[in-house]
Amino acid sequence: DIQMTQSPSSLSASVGDRVTITCRASQGISNYLAWYQQKPGKVPKLLIYAASTLQSGVPSRFSGSGSGTDFTLTISSLQPEDVATYYCQMGGTFGPGTKVDIK
Amino acid sequence: QVQLVQSGAEVKKPGASVKVSCKASGYTFTGYYMHWVRQAPGQGLEWMGWINPNSGGTNYAQKFQGRVTMTRDTSISTAYMELSRLRSDDTAVYYCARDCGEDYYYYYMDVWGKGTTVTVSS
Repeated sequence: DIQMTQSPSSLSASVGDRVTITCRASQGISNYLAWYQQKPGKVPKLLIYAASTLQSGVPSRFSGSGSGTDFTLTISSLQPEDVATYYCQMGGTFGPGTKVDIK
Repeated sequence: QVQLVQSGAEVKKPGASVKVSCKASGYTFTGYYMHWVRQAPGQGLEWMGWINPNSGGTNYAQKFQGRVTMTRDTSISTAYMELSRLRSDDTAVYYCARDCGEDYYYYYMDVWGKGTTVTVSS
């Protein structure tokens, strides 16, 4: 089975900061990767699929990149409403999540 | 608008079964695979399986093989997830989520239900 890891497990950044979250797969998965955002007490929301395609309606400050085993989610300018846990996912496997909050 | 409406919270005793429903509206139910994902309190997301609403075909995560059954009723655009032999560690929020691929599965889940809380307690 493919294992997904994320780093860091949590981070605290200031409004306006550039934030990068990394996801690593235990074996190559081409670009079959998605990113989800889950705000506290809310339902997960699809942000990015196919590693770099922005889901409709998602702000352009979110971007994804990578292929093979290493992927990144970048928030170009962190906003207060971005406080959430972010999960990467490949097929039936989710990463453990990265909790993002405001410093 | 596209939405998934799930059934209400359940409290079950260990060893019992639970059946959660997910009613789709705003799109062609048989055109999109449906996934089930759960989240234990304070924990991450765990994929349980998918059902093809058109054919009824299913694919379950190995962890749940033998305990989970996913079905659908196309006449009322509703998917179901039944989990048997419940244990206390099955206490979680159970979500249905639509795959974004039309007539195919990509595992990219673009529409989610609000979740159904299942509590397993003696």
